Amino acid sequence: SYELTQPPSVSVSPGQTARITCSGNSLSKKYAYWYQQRPGQAPVLMIYEDSERPSGIPERFSGSSSGATVTLTVSGVQAEDEAEYFCQSADSSGRVVFGGGTKLTVL
Amino acid sequence: QVTLKESGPVLVKPTETLTLTCTVSGFSLSNARMGVSWIRQPPGKALEWLAHIFSSDDQSYTSSLKSRLTLSEDTSKSQVVLTMTNMDPVDTATYYCARVIPFYQDTSGFQYYFDSWGQGTLVTVSS
Repeated sequence: SYELTQPPSVSVSPGQTARITCSGNSLSKKYAYWYQQRPGQAPVLMIYEDSERPSGIPERFSGSSSGATVTLTVSGVQAEDEAEYFCQSADSSGRVVFGGGTKLTVL
Repeated sequence: QVTLKESGPVLVKPTETLTLTCTVSGFSLSNARMGVSWIRQPPGKALEWLAHIFSSDDQSYTSSLKSRLTLSEDTSKSQVVLTMTNMDPVDTATYYCARVIPFYQDTSGFQYYFDSWGQGTLVTVSS
């Protein structure tokens, strides 16, 4: 089955830049989406179609794509950004696939 | 304002059938440009997409659970119902419903993403 691979954890100090990657063979053909999940809360859509930001999402969150890897970048990380981040895309049949999640820790 | 809310039992026994209801507001289930998905998350683990419905004629299920899942909708009540048969302890998870948006590209076909989520409901499978 198709998989999206994320690093289990990323740690940064406040004000620094965090980059979270997501790799998968179909990402060169399919868009990626990113969700933030704070403890005990439902996921929130942060980025859609690789790099678009829904209204209300801070500008410090951005997305990019290069070949089979997409990246969520958080510039000027704040304490409130500490959360789990999941990427999502689709397999060749269009079925939804999520990555394993990355825990962002703000030191 | 778009809202979704899951309801159903918090505890089911092994082999029983789980029935969960998602009640939506702020959008219409009759709108074919958006639908409702169910996604689950075992404690401490990743999200897993289960199924989505755009109409009674347009549903999709994850391959690994297709034989156990059924979706239905009642547009007059703004509700989508998920049933999962033969529950097992490994099905213990928080179950979310979410509004799903389809996106079509000529080069890669349909994709889907989730722009609004319910709060989730934890379902424990135990005797």
